[in-house]
Amino acid sequence: GAGVSQTPSNKVTEKGKYVELRCDPISGHTALYWYRQSLGQGPEFLIYFQGTGAADDSGLPNDRFFAVRPEGSVSTLKIQRTERGDSAVYLCASSLHQNTEAFFGQGTRLTVV
Amino acid sequence: GEDVEQSLFLSVREGDSSVINCTYTDSSSTYLYWYKQEPGAGLQLLTYIFSNMDMKQDQRLTVLLNKKDKHLSLRIADTQTGDSAIYFCAGSGIQGAQKLVFGQGTRLTINP
Repeated sequence: GAGVSQTPSNKVTEKGKYVELRCDPISGHTALYWYRQSLGQGPEFLIYFQGTGAADDSGLPNDRFFAVRPEGSVSTLKIQRTERGDSAVYLCASSLHQNTEAFFGQGTRLTVV
Repeated sequence: GEDVEQSLFLSVREGDSSVINCTYTDSSSTYLYWYKQEPGAGLQLLTYIFSNMDMKQDQRLTVLLNKKDKHLSLRIADTQTGDSAIYFCAGSGIQGAQKLVFGQGTRLTINP
């Protein structure tokens, strides 16, 4: 597609449930990033993929968060045992190479009730 | 690690210039960026400056970088209602552009 696509655009889940958030990067982009944006804050880095491998996952807040990119294209962010504090907009971005401009998707708004 | 700070709000009259300021802590930042976020939309890269530059101009946008004071500013000339948005300053740490550290964002409001 023309840009970074994230699905779903909105997700409401109950506390304790498991969720998956999907990111389709721009075709041909090797680098993919996940950020989390809480209300009134700037985005915070979660994880960065170069190809299929997670090059830097230092931003993942705890072991309930996990992300994969098995074929070096689509990525899925997985959150287990969701908590109300996980409510935020999850942003995905991709770039052609690791040090080129990153293009952001519109995000998935996750609400944990 | 890197810390980036911005004032939260700015209000200007239509047609005036807007100046949005940002300070950062990591002097080894390679690139410094300005992003725009409109309601319900993703982040849009406006412009960036490489750390060995002190000024960059792109149409109505002027970026000034003072490395000594670790201060970055974005000037928008002839501000229009369509410029209403939240503006984020972001820096890349020693790992490079893949790990951006964002400020809290400055909400720019345009008064008629």
